[in-house]
Amino acid sequence: NAGVTQTPKFQVLKTGQSMTLQCAQDMNHNSMYWYRQDPGMGLRLIYYSASEGTTDKGEVPNGYNVSRLNKREFSLRLESAAPSQTSVYFCATRATNEKLFFGSGTQLSVL
Amino acid sequence: DQQVKQNSPSLSVQEGRISILNCDYTNSMFDYFLWYKKYPAEGPTFLISISSIKDKNEDGRFTVFLNKSAKHLSLHIVPSQPGDSAVYFCAASALSGTASKLTFGTGTRLQVTL
Repeated sequence: NAGVTQTPKFQVLKTGQSMTLQCAQDMNHNSMYWYRQDPGMGLRLIYYSASEGTTDKGEVPNGYNVSRLNKREFSLRLESAAPSQTSVYFCATRATNEKLFFGSGTQLSVL
Repeated sequence: DQQVKQNSPSLSVQEGRISILNCDYTNSMFDYFLWYKKYPAEGPTFLISISSIKDKNEDGRFTVFLNKSAKHLSLHIVPSQPGDSAVYFCAASALSGTASKLTFGTGTRLQVTL
């Protein structure tokens, strides 16, 4: 039982490059989330998906797109990476209560 | 506008003593609160939660207190252990049904010394 799996764990990009962060869950949860963590800023919500086929913007969606491919998978895409997107990215799922279950994160550096 | 605030970036406590981590919120619509613990290079993990209908919730060494009038909650760890050294995030939500969103504080780094 892997829970929430994120790939890759580390990535270095040049400004302007694109990439997709992958997230998959085996917990059969409907809701999935993408957060970013920056020093002194806590965890900020980028996008979320209440269920398969729906996505909504969070607090900091600019520069990102998401796809809820199916119930298990929720990907985050950076079309043209910027240094301001250097961060640690966490995918999470939510049970029927308010508890979130997080993946181990993707550390992204944009040069 | 930081709706959930953790004003102490760090805290150092001796092993065996009590650790008290504080959190303040401004949104009166928040009615469910959680604490998460995060080790380096890992994702946050759920620690304990409390609904606004309660003022205290206890789970082993961990107790969360909620003061709604002051919009303040605190996490008490007694006794503190070296393995408790981590970053602790406070989070809050306004229960909205299908996909309520958690708002996180900036975190407090707890170091438990021997």
